[in-house]
Order: sequence, then structure tokens, then C-alpha cells
Amino acid sequence: GAVVSQHPSRVICKSGTSVKIECRSLDFQATTMFWYRQFPKQSLMLMATSNEGSKATYEQGVEKDKFLINHASLTLSTLTVTSAHPEDSSFYICSARQVIEETQYFGPGTRLLVL
Amino acid sequence: ELKVEQNPLFLSMQEGKNYTIYCNYSTTSDRLYWYRQDPGKSLESLFVLLSNGAVKQEGRLMASLDTKARLSTLHITAAVHDLSATYFCAVDMTGSGGGADGLTFGKGTHLIIQP
Repeated sequence: GAVVSQHPSRVICKSGTSVKIECRSLDFQATTMFWYRQFPKQSLMLMATSNEGSKATYEQGVEKDKFLINHASLTLSTLTVTSAHPEDSSFYICSARQVIEETQYFGPGTRLLVL
Repeated sequence: ELKVEQNPLFLSMQEGKNYTIYCNYSTTSDRLYWYRQDPGKSLESLFVLLSNGAVKQEGRLMASLDTKARLSTLHITAAVHDLSATYFCAVDMTGSGGGADGLTFGKGTHLIIQP
């Protein structure tokens, strides 16, 4: 099946710093990638939809200036958490949709801890 | 606003027993997904159901979709310990014309299968 990677898998940072998370589709082209956030013991919540070559679409309540998304190519999307605070600590998971398939393939996730 | 409700949210059962997880959703969609999540891990795709009446089976798991009732079920047959995990259903609104995108997840069913 299709493979989606994320980097880093785990990151610890100080409050006020910025963190960049990469999401790559390794063996397919993804016109659309999605970013989700999952707090402990909770479900996944869609943060934004990232389309190659255009601006991301953010869900209600997600600050676009805080969570910067760039989808520069058909295989790479990045999420930058700017001026991170402890409440941003979460499990961030990306997914990618193949052009010819209906399903979304999920990356392994990035666990962010902001101190 | 699309709502996806799963029940039960927690299920403890013995090996060898059968059980069903239910997933109801609030608006029209003909694409429903089932995922498995192990602790600390990302999502593993189990089933993609794309039309009314769709039924798919993989090993001891079988999923079905009734778009008229807006209901999907995940049936576990003769459960084994290895199936212990959290199971999520998710509904895809992409292309529905509603302006939404990405997946809306249920809260998940935490399944424990005891030997």
C-alpha cells in the first residue's frame, strides 16, 4: 500500500519556539494532504486541508497564522507550529490522498511536547 | 455540521465472542472508513466503504454500510487478543458540495479482548 512518512516522529521544544513537521508521500503523488491533531484519549480532529500549489483550508477554530501549512510539491506538505505553547502539545498526524483512490493514508504521527 | 457517533466507546470482551461496533453519521455521505489505532501509534486503514450496501471482510472483521440509515457496523467474529485496539470510523465529505473536506472521525471504540 501507499506509504506516508512524517518527520520528526517526536519533538520537545521550549515555549515560544517554532517547530516544523514534514509529511511526505513516498511512493505516490498526493494532490491533497490533511493535517490532524489528536489529544490523549481523544479522537482525531481535522486541522486543515493542504492542496499542492494553493493556500491551505483551515477548519473553524484553527489559527492559520499559528499553524502554517505549505504544500510545495505533490509529495511534501509541512506544518509549522509557530510560537508553540504547552497547550499545543499533541500528536500531529498527516494523511495523503492518492489522485486515483478514495482512501487516505496516514503518516506515523509526530508527538510534540512543548515545555 | 457533520457529526459521527460511535458506540460503544469502550468494550471489554472475552476471546471467542462476537460483537458489533456501530457508527452513525448525521449527513449524507457515501464514503465511510474504518481505522485501527494501537497505543502510541498512528492509524491503520481497515476498510473503505464506498456505496450503499457495501460489505467488506478481512479475517475476523467485517464492515458494512447502509447509507439510507446513515449507519455503518464493524463486526468482530470470534475475537482474539490481538484485535485489542481503538477503532475509529470516519466519514468523508469531500466532493459532497458541502464545502467541507477531510475526514470527520467518531470518538473511537476502545476495545479490550481478554484471554
